[in-house]
Amino acid sequence: IAGITQAPTSQILAAGRRMTLRCTQDMRHNAMYWYRQDLGLGLRLIHYSNTAGTTGKGEVPDGYSVSRANTDDFPLTLASAVPSQTSVYFCASSDGNEQFFGPGTRLTVL
Amino acid sequence: QKEVEQNSGPLSVPEGAIASLNCTYSDRGSQSFFWYRQYSGKSPELIMFIYSNGDKEDGRFTAQLNKASQYVSLLIRDSQPSDSATYLCAVNMDSNYQLIWGAGTKLIIKP
Repeated sequence: IAGITQAPTSQILAAGRRMTLRCTQDMRHNAMYWYRQDLGLGLRLIHYSNTAGTTGKGEVPDGYSVSRANTDDFPLTLASAVPSQTSVYFCASSDGNEQFFGPGTRLTVL
Repeated sequence: QKEVEQNSGPLSVPEGAIASLNCTYSDRGSQSFFWYRQYSGKSPELIMFIYSNGDKEDGRFTAQLNKASQYVSLLIRDSQPSDSATYLCAVNMDSNYQLIWGAGTKLIIKP
């Protein structure tokens, strides 16, 4: 089934630990995005990639890094997790108009 | 700062009535406008997009755009309990296909 997958579904993480959230799409979309969603704040863009090999910073990039080695995969890494990074993380891809979302990862940093 | 504003709600509407959801945006040069629906615990899914001033209809849904007033709305006719969700307004304000998102309006359809 075409779409976007994310892993893990949820994770509880100790502060200071490193964590990589995985995102894979099979729609051959050039653009991919990472958002965090917090209650009352809506979706905020962390990082984006317009095409394989390029990445850019969004609204809230601090504490996060991404890579885009190929079209399908767009992992998000938290180098040293902090409690303020507790959130729901959504990966999305786009064909230039509609953004398609993965199921999300619920991350809790203690 | 580029912003998209929505009333957080909740907006309560009786079943069968028209639900009206509103969104304002700050960048007068914005070109494309999107409405997404998000059920609790799920990811957002696109309902409609609109590029031109006026109305665009798709089934029970109508998107309305007024660029002069920097205002976009979503009307849901014959509201059903299954329409109960949070509705997110998103606006493309540059050429990068990046979207600026409103915080969403929670809609409750009462049977």
